[in-house]
Amino acid sequence: GEDVEQSLFLSVREGDSSVINCTYTDSSSTYLYWYKQEPGAGLQLLTYIFSNMDMKQDQRLTVLLNKKDKHLSLRIADTQTGDSAIYFCAEIPTGGGNKLTFGTGTQLKVEL
Amino acid sequence: NAGVTQTPKFQVLKTGQSMTLQCAQDMNHNSMYWYRQDPGMGLRLIYYSASEGTTDKGEVPNGYNVSRLNKREFSLRLESAAPSQTSVYFCASIGFEGAVHEQYFGPGTRLTVT
Repeated sequence: GEDVEQSLFLSVREGDSSVINCTYTDSSSTYLYWYKQEPGAGLQLLTYIFSNMDMKQDQRLTVLLNKKDKHLSLRIADTQTGDSAIYFCAEIPTGGGNKLTFGTGTQLKVEL
Repeated sequence: NAGVTQTPKFQVLKTGQSMTLQCAQDMNHNSMYWYRQDPGMGLRLIYYSASEGTTDKGEVPNGYNVSRLNKREFSLRLESAAPSQTSVYFCASIGFEGAVHEQYFGPGTRLTVT
């Protein structure tokens, strides 16, 4: 089956970089996603990467994919207090009929 | 949350009551989803519909039924609510057009079962 795991909490100082990690078990995953959820709100898709890519950069966000270790990371450069939120990774496995499965989420706290 | 609407936003039910959560999208997406979110457990997939006319079970389908009424609408029904179904429910739709993905989530329905 597809299990997606994340660490629960991360605390960083404003201006530092944040790195949020995710591991998945389904080696056939085709699409991998990162989302942000602010308190009381729905999920916002931040970025996504295809499994044939190693890296994708979008402004302050960098996604790295290590297919050998089934490890996905999201790096946020120059972290701001507005980045405080829960971050989820998710995958759609190949042949999964568009079944989108989420990790447990990482609570990012940005301190002054 | 643009493009995906969910109703109601809040609901309190007594154990054994039934209700239907409504979800609609106006982006012509093929795939729609229902999730529940509980503290420390992320989003767990209840049911999904890869395309109009099809529905499939997710991780936690017991106690729920769904209907993909048409391409726009995907409803979730609780036939006999239980306290374990107290949660926040999110509907989502996804469109895949080659290399471009669109995903939108509704604002959520906060359900309490007493």
